[in-house]
Amino acid sequence: SYDLTQPPSVSVSPGQTASISCSGDNWGNKYASWYQQKPGQSPALVMYQDNKRPSGIPERFSGSNSGNTATLTISGTQAMDEADYYCQAWDTSTETLIFGGGTKLTVL
Amino acid sequence: QVQLQESGPGLVKPSQTLSLTCAVSGGSFSNTYYYWSWIRQPPGKGLEWVGYIYYSGRTYYNPSLKSRLSISVDTSRSQFSLRLSSMTAADTAVYYCARGIPNSGNYMDAWGKGTTVTVS
Repeated sequence: SYDLTQPPSVSVSPGQTASISCSGDNWGNKYASWYQQKPGQSPALVMYQDNKRPSGIPERFSGSNSGNTATLTISGTQAMDEADYYCQAWDTSTETLIFGGGTKLTVL
Repeated sequence: QVQLQESGPGLVKPSQTLSLTCAVSGGSFSNTYYYWSWIRQPPGKGLEWVGYIYYSGRTYYNPSLKSRLSISVDTSRSQFSLRLSSMTAADTAVYYCARGIPNSGNYMDAWGKGTTVTVS
């Protein structure tokens, strides 16, 4: 089965840049999506097709996909960005939607 | 703007079948471009894709749940449903419904608030 691996936690100081990685085989053949989930809330899409932001997502959120790693970057991180972040991909070979294990972003 | 609302029993006994419904409002349900998905999240854990269905009725299921899972669509009511049989404590989770966009990544752009299901 296809697996996506994320670091369990990332810490960043306010105003600094946070990078959350998501590793998997043959990422170049797949698009990455990212979801933000704050405590007690449902997930919300923050990035799709590797680097596209849905309407309403601040420009400080950006995404990239290279080789075996997709990355969500938050520039000028704010306290409101503290949340769990999940990467996601579609495995065409098994027709299965895959989530990474999630990364808890702490802004301190 | 699309809105999704899950409904169903909060408590299910072991070995019973779970039935959940997701009501979709906002006018996009009949648009054949989208699919309609179920995702679950056990307490304190990550997201797990359950399966999804197109307006046409075509389904895609998580292989680990496929033998127990059925997703159906009711086009007259703009809603879709999940049935998961032989429930165990491992199926205890918040169940979310979501709207999905296939092609180029297959991502979900609108989510319901979720409904908590406890197996006990």
